[in-house]
Amino acid sequence: SQQGEEDPQALSIQEGENATMNCSYKTSINNLQWYRQNSGRGLVHLILIRSNEREKHSGRLRVTLDTSKKSSSLLITASRAADTASYFCATDSLGNTGKLIFGQGTTLQVKP
Amino acid sequence: GAVVSQHPSRVICKSGTSVKIECRSLDFQATTMFWYRQFPKQSLMLMATSNEGSKATYEQGVEKDKFLINHASLTLSTLTVTSAHPEDSSFYICSAAGQSSGNTIYFGEGSWLTVV
Repeated sequence: SQQGEEDPQALSIQEGENATMNCSYKTSINNLQWYRQNSGRGLVHLILIRSNEREKHSGRLRVTLDTSKKSSSLLITASRAADTASYFCATDSLGNTGKLIFGQGTTLQVKP
Repeated sequence: GAVVSQHPSRVICKSGTSVKIECRSLDFQATTMFWYRQFPKQSLMLMATSNEGSKATYEQGVEKDKFLINHASLTLSTLTVTSAHPEDSSFYICSAAGQSSGNTIYFGEGSWLTVV
């Protein structure tokens, strides 16, 4: 089952610009994670934000979490062509540690 | 290096045959493993939860007799796609978690299955 929606489904930007992706979910969660997936490859874990956290940074990544709205956003600053990939949010619901439910994903293209 | 290994990374099988995919935790004991399926240009869909020493728990709509899951040890879970059909062609990926990994979830590299 899919937890929720991500938007936009596809995003195309120029190198150096910022990219923002949004994710909504339906149930109460332990944490929310963001993953990157290059075409035809496995998942790369980017960042985990816990339900009691509101914002988290890692390098050029900034993640926010609004549990009242059941939504999260991923901001990639100063994007690079190498950031071209699909990005997924995944939620770990209360009582189901490890069982991740993925969003629909956003396909990001960064043009050099 | 990878802490969860999947094998094979790519497999082609004939329609009607069965194929087994292995998921191994390399550095920790995985009490729970999860199997996902991903069709091209789509998201990951959870298929089942595999618990060591007990029967797997399947998500709604996933046929347990078609997708056999065995988690016989704390480091190995296998997914067998039985009587494979072309529509089973997909990317299958596992994840593993356990107390000895601090309950951190690790994903395998995935296995591409093509049924011809």
